[in-house]
Amino acid sequence: DVQLVQSGAEVKNPGESLKISCQGSGYSFTSYWIGWVRQMPGKGLEWMGIIYPADSDTKYSPAFQGQVTISADKSIGTAYLQWSSLKASDTAMYYCTRPNYISGFFHGFDLWGQGTVVTVSS
Amino acid sequence: AIQMTQSPSSLSASVGDRVTIACRASQGIRNDLGWYQQKPGKAPKLLIYAASSLQSGVPSRFSGSGSGTDFTLTISSLQPEDFATYYCLQDNKYPYTFGQGTKLEIK
Repeated sequence: DVQLVQSGAEVKNPGESLKISCQGSGYSFTSYWIGWVRQMPGKGLEWMGIIYPADSDTKYSPAFQGQVTISADKSIGTAYLQWSSLKASDTAMYYCTRPNYISGFFHGFDLWGQGTVVTVSS
Repeated sequence: AIQMTQSPSSLSASVGDRVTIACRASQGIRNDLGWYQQKPGKAPKLLIYAASSLQSGVPSRFSGSGSGTDFTLTISSLQPEDFATYYCLQDNKYPYTFGQGTKLEIK
């Protein structure tokens, strides 16, 4: 099956570091971009950024540039989202997502991970 | 960044109603827009890509239209399972941006 499987829920203290993961399977991991989306409690979806695992080309949304790091390890088919110093305002659900291409044309983000809940609280 | 303004933010409707949700881009994005449905506690689901193309497996009561700056998602006859929150997402230029969402509730 083609799927994205995310790491489990995290509870952290402010100031701690964190790295969450998104593992792709059932497809060529290096051939598709992987995006990250934040959803704060009771709020809408926010686009954070996207990475191309083949060469780690990464595009950040300005609101998240410098706040998080998106990376990928193509050898194990996994993308990451990491924080060096968490804040309470990082409390949210985080989704990874992959676009679909047919005959070279973009066909939307049709594959999503199940989400990772991050709770930052002292 | 391209701003996506979605309206209305919430909508009450009945089973069988026809509903329309709008999304306006702050600049032209050709037809580089998708519509996503999200139910509580679940990941978003792609309904429409390239503004008007129906994703495989999505019921034909969902349709999308528009190009440039103005787009609409229409549900022709609401079913109980359609009550959810809907988002547009522009994929024309980085950073991609979502609309604020439309919560569709049962009247």
